[in-house]
Amino acid sequence: NAGVTQTPKFQVLKTGQSMTLQCAQDMNHNSMYWYRQDPGMGLRLIYYSASEGTTDKGEVPNGYNVSRLNKREFSLRLESAAPSQTSVYFCASRGRSGEQYFGPGTRLTVT
Amino acid sequence: GENVEQHPSTLSVQEGDSAVIKCTYSDSASNYFPWYKQELGKRPQLIIDIRSNVGEKKDQRIAVTLNKTAKHFSLHITETQPEDSAVYFCAAKRDNYGQNFVFGPGTRLSVLP
Repeated sequence: NAGVTQTPKFQVLKTGQSMTLQCAQDMNHNSMYWYRQDPGMGLRLIYYSASEGTTDKGEVPNGYNVSRLNKREFSLRLESAAPSQTSVYFCASRGRSGEQYFGPGTRLTVT
Repeated sequence: GENVEQHPSTLSVQEGDSAVIKCTYSDSASNYFPWYKQELGKRPQLIIDIRSNVGEKKDQRIAVTLNKTAKHFSLHITETQPEDSAVYFCAAKRDNYGQNFVFGPGTRLSVLP
């Protein structure tokens, strides 16, 4: 039981490049989330998916798109990366009792 | 929408002392309040949570108290140890209403040996 996994762990992009961050969970959870974490700002919600086939915007969705590929997988895409998107990205899933389980994170640098 | 404030932003205590971190929330309908611990370079991990139908919950050296009237909840760590050094985040959510958790900005706790 791996919990929540994310790939890649590290990534460096040039401004304007695109990439997709992958997330998968094996806990059969319905809800999945993407957050970004910047120094001194806690965790901010980018997008979430309440169930397979649905996605909704969070607090900071601009510049991102998501796909809930199936119940296990929820990907985050940056179409044209900007330096302001330099951050640590966490995927999470939510259990029946409400608790969130986080993946190990992706450290993204945009130059 | 919900807004969560957290104080202090940094906290240093001597090993063996107690540490208290306080969060306030704005949405009186919020009823689920988790606390997460994040060690350097690691993912946030749930350490304790409380729902609005109880005022206090304990788990060994960790406790959380909730004051619904004042809309604040606090994390209490007793007999602190160096391995308690980390960033702690509080969050608030309304159960069965949307999916959004709102997190506080975090408290960096340092336990000095």
